[in-house]
Amino acid sequence: EIVLTQSPGTLSLSPGERATLSCRASQSVSISYLAWYQQKPGQAPRLLIYGASSRANGIPDKFSGSGSGTDFTLTISRLEPEDFAVYYCQQYGSSLYTFGQGTKLEIK
Amino acid sequence: EVQLVQSGAEVKKPGESLKISCEGSGYSFSGYWIGWVRQMPGKGLEWMGIIFPGDSDTRYSPSFQGQVTISADKSISTAYLQWSSLKASDTAMYYCVRRVFSSSWSYFDYWGQGTLVTVSS
Repeated sequence: EIVLTQSPGTLSLSPGERATLSCRASQSVSISYLAWYQQKPGQAPRLLIYGASSRANGIPDKFSGSGSGTDFTLTISRLEPEDFAVYYCQQYGSSLYTFGQGTKLEIK
Repeated sequence: EVQLVQSGAEVKKPGESLKISCEGSGYSFSGYWIGWVRQMPGKGLEWMGIIFPGDSDTRYSPSFQGQVTISADKSISTAYLQWSSLKASDTAMYYCVRRVFSSSWSYFDYWGQGTLVTVSS
């Protein structure tokens, strides 16, 4: 089973700043099968990025994904109050899905 | 509009059985895999398993194999997650998801609103 480790666990930034979230896999992941989700308190998660870098429908271009192999990054430019949430990466491999433990993006 | 609507919150005692549901609408229910994701209180997301309603092909995470049963009734566009004997550690929010899968992509594009299951004596 591929383990995804997200860092940092908590990221404290101010509105207007840029956020860089990391997702590292215990073994190589197909970029086709790497996704990112956002979860706000009391809500279901929402798909942000699939295929490592493709934005889901309706997701603004301030969200971008990159990476390959074992290292993937979610970048959020120009943070707005509604962006402060928990972010999860997810991979699919060997007929299994696994999620990272999440990064909490909080207002500084 | 694609929607996944889950059944309401449940409060159960240890040892009781439970079946929660997820009704899909706005798309061809038989043509997409439906998955289940657990979120324990204050914790992260855990994939439990998936089912293809068209032929009931089902796959489980090793962590949940034998602990739950996933099923679907394509005639009423509904998927189910059931337990035969609940434990306190089953207390969690459970989400159903629609899975997109091809040789190019795999992800969960739509999520139900969640069903909170509380198991307590």
